[in-house]
Amino acid sequence: QVQLQESGPGLVKPSETLSLTCTVSGGSISSYYWSWIRQPAGKGLEWIGRIYTSGSTNYNPSLKSRVTMSVDTSKNQFSLKLSSVTAADTAVYYCARAPSSVAGGDYWGQGTLVTVSS
Amino acid sequence: QSALTQPRSVSGSPGQSVTISCTGTSSDVGGYNYVSWYQQHPGKAPKLMIYDVSKRPSGVPDRFSGSKSGNTASLTISGLQAEDEADYYCCSYAGSYTFDVVFGGGTKLTVL
Repeated sequence: QVQLQESGPGLVKPSETLSLTCTVSGGSISSYYWSWIRQPAGKGLEWIGRIYTSGSTNYNPSLKSRVTMSVDTSKNQFSLKLSSVTAADTAVYYCARAPSSVAGGDYWGQGTLVTVSS
Repeated sequence: QSALTQPRSVSGSPGQSVTISCTGTSSDVGGYNYVSWYQQHPGKAPKLMIYDVSKRPSGVPDRFSGSKSGNTASLTISGLQAEDEADYYCCSYAGSYTFDVVFGGGTKLTVL
């Protein structure tokens, strides 16, 4: 059973960079797309982007200028960086495995709350 | 890309059937047979219920079914049970050749 776990600071200051890592266990990270999705409190899901294990990426056009994703196959991890954050970036951030036929992902992490505040 | 359009809320009594619609465009729902549906209970991560428009992952009851016609996908839940009360989100690829991903705005299902 594949399991994903998000980790990173729960509090980020405005204008700084949000950094999160997702650790995959119970299976290899190879040969899959891996996604980040976020959800502000009381609101819907927003796709941030995805990365293939080769390093190829797709980003949400509305966030593209601020998003960087990377993958470390040796550690079975992939990461998200979101720069120049504002209060509007406060949300629960999820990582997910995203096979080609499952756009939103089949296995999800439990999510981690990131608050942007000074 | 714009979020897919779902009704904000639907409701039904135990044992009844409900259908949740998800309307997009020819660039997303209408253009790909990769619509998926997620169930989310409060404070929990979304759970995949339907993928490839109508396929169920192992362990998902056959009370849940999916379909698509043109630019609109639908999730039908038959034999409603109290534990089905949750938020439901549809999801699709979007864009031509970019394979971006777009979610619906979500639908709150209330079991009366």
